Amino acid sequence: EDKVVQSPLSLVVHEGDTVTLNCSYEVTNFRSLLWYKQEKKAPTFLFMLTSSGIEKKSGRLSSILDKKELFSILNITATQTGDSAVYLCAVEFRTDSWGKLQFGAGTQVVVTP
Amino acid sequence: KAGVTQTPRYLIKTRGQQVTLSCSPISGHRSVSWYQQTPGQGLQFLFEYFSETQRNKGNFPGRFSGRQFSNSRSEMNVSTLELGDSALYLCASSLEPGQGAGELFFGEGSRLTVL
Repeated sequence: EDKVVQSPLSLVVHEGDTVTLNCSYEVTNFRSLLWYKQEKKAPTFLFMLTSSGIEKKSGRLSSILDKKELFSILNITATQTGDSAVYLCAVEFRTDSWGKLQFGAGTQVVVTP
Repeated sequence: KAGVTQTPRYLIKTRGQQVTLSCSPISGHRSVSWYQQTPGQGLQFLFEYFSETQRNKGNFPGRFSGRQFSNSRSEMNVSTLELGDSALYLCASSLEPGQGAGELFFGEGSRLTVL
């Protein structure tokens, strides 16, 4: 059975802290791994990772994929209250994958002033 | 450019009723996917449509169905509602016409409560 597991499930940090979120996966026919941020309703796209060891960056957020050890991390540096959200990791499959992503349960991040 | 639009945003139904939810994708996007989000199960894939054809389907009972129109707008229907169908139903559109989900652009969802 395909699995996508995120850890921790939740965490509380102070503004300015650095946060590291983990996503491990066990899937057949892996194609890519995606990260989304969900603040209230609509998940918004952060990164898509397909190659091992290549870091993707966007401002204070960065992510990397390890296809040998089957995990990805999402880092947020110098956190701000606006970073408070649920961060979702999802895997895309190489076959039978039209429109289908398998999501992890998400990590709830709360950034306090 | 307008995002993915879902209607209605909120609705309350009773067990046994049916419901139809609507989704208008981003202009130019022809692939529309539907997801169910619940606290217990997270985000789960329902189905995907492209050019009015269902190309992919998740593990949901036949009470869940959908369709896509020639203008790429999509509807999903749930018949004989059960309490467990209470969820946020998210629609996503994608530019990717071929194999793979690619980057999905989500709407704000339709919050269904079944009493």
